[in-house]
Formats: sequence, structure tokens, C-alpha cells
Amino acid sequence: DAGVIQSPRHEVTEMGQEVTLRCKPISGHDYLFWYRQTMMRGLELLIYFNNNVPIDDSGMPEDRFSAKMPNASFSTLKIQPSEPRDSAVYFCASSAPRRGAQYFGPGTRLLVL
Amino acid sequence: ILNVEQSPQSLHVQEGDSTNFTCSFPSSNFYALHWYRWETAKSPEALFVMTLNGDEKKKGRISATLNTKEGYSYLYIKGSQPEDSATYLCARTNNAGNMLTFGGGTRLMVKP
Repeated sequence: DAGVIQSPRHEVTEMGQEVTLRCKPISGHDYLFWYRQTMMRGLELLIYFNNNVPIDDSGMPEDRFSAKMPNASFSTLKIQPSEPRDSAVYFCASSAPRRGAQYFGPGTRLLVL
Repeated sequence: ILNVEQSPQSLHVQEGDSTNFTCSFPSSNFYALHWYRWETAKSPEALFVMTLNGDEKKKGRISATLNTKEGYSYLYIKGSQPEDSATYLCARTNNAGNMLTFGGGTRLMVKP
């Protein structure tokens, strides 16, 4: 298996633009997680899905952030409009049910100017 | 303890030294404790998942123990090598078993 795939790996955009981050989880994993890493807050969970259904989105910072999982092999995290404080590394991870470790993708490094 | 806490925040050791660090977590509603290794500019890599009090896991020179009653886990590295330099994260899952709460990590630097 190729592991968790994220695209793009790097994104530079201007304030106010829409940003869409993409994730393909490991085949067979029922759980998908979106995390954000910043210097100030470390690694924080934004939202997670089970069988394509959002279970907990309490970590989503505000309404400018939205996430979808239309099928078992694809998820998006959208920021609209983007702001400079959204600059961070965004990780997607997937896991099999319950006890399994989470497998992280390579991350998308986002810079909003 | 309300949050997952790791100590120390950073650690410098010489090549060949053995070292250990601590993860403390709320013991109520505990389900599992995860350890991840996170190298700079890479993504976190799972090391261990432990669920039972007294669990011990080992992978090469790295091992971990778990005490769920008092809410702590130790990670040990025997004979540290420069390639062990990374941030080591622990994370706890609740009874639902899937939502991880991460500690702040211990940044290990091994000098040749």
C-alpha cells in the first residue's frame, strides 16, 4: 500500500483565496483524521470521520474551515477565505477501527500571504 | 491530570547513552496509549499502541511501558544513535478508541 496520500505537498496562496487540501487514506481504514501543526499549538485534531461520516468537528477553528469525505477513498479540507494565521502544516491520518495506530500522510505545508 | 503531558520537553544525549522520557495522562476513561516518532520535515510514525496496564512493547532498541492505574508511560531508548534524533509524541485515546489527544512531545537530540 502507498500509505496515506496528501496533495498538494506545498501550497502558497494569498489572503482571501480558497484553499483545498486533499487526502487519500489507506485502503480498508475506516477512520480518517485531519490535524494541523503549528509552532504555538503543536499537533491539534481538527475533525475526524468514521465510514465517511464526520464524528467530531469540535477542533475546526471556525466556519471558514470545512471538510468532506464523499467516499471511503477521498477527503478534502477546505479553507475559504484563507488568512495568514491559517499557515501551518496540515496532516491527514487514517486508522483501522479501535486499537489501530494512526498512519499519517506527508502533510501539506500551507503558507497564506 | 487533565491533559497529556510529556517530560522533558527536550533532551540532549551523547551517542551510546541510554535515555528515557515520560508521558502522563488522565487515567479515567482510558482506552489506549500511542507513541509516535516524528522526524523533522517528515510525518509522525507509529511506534507502539498499548492498552493494558503493565503492557510492555519493544522495537529494536526502543521499548515502552504502560501504567494505566497511575496514568503514565515510559519510553526507553537503549544505546542512543544520532538517527534516533526526533520528537517523540505520546497520545491517549478515550473509550471511543479513535480520537487521539497528543502530548507536547519530547525532542531528543543525540550527539555523535
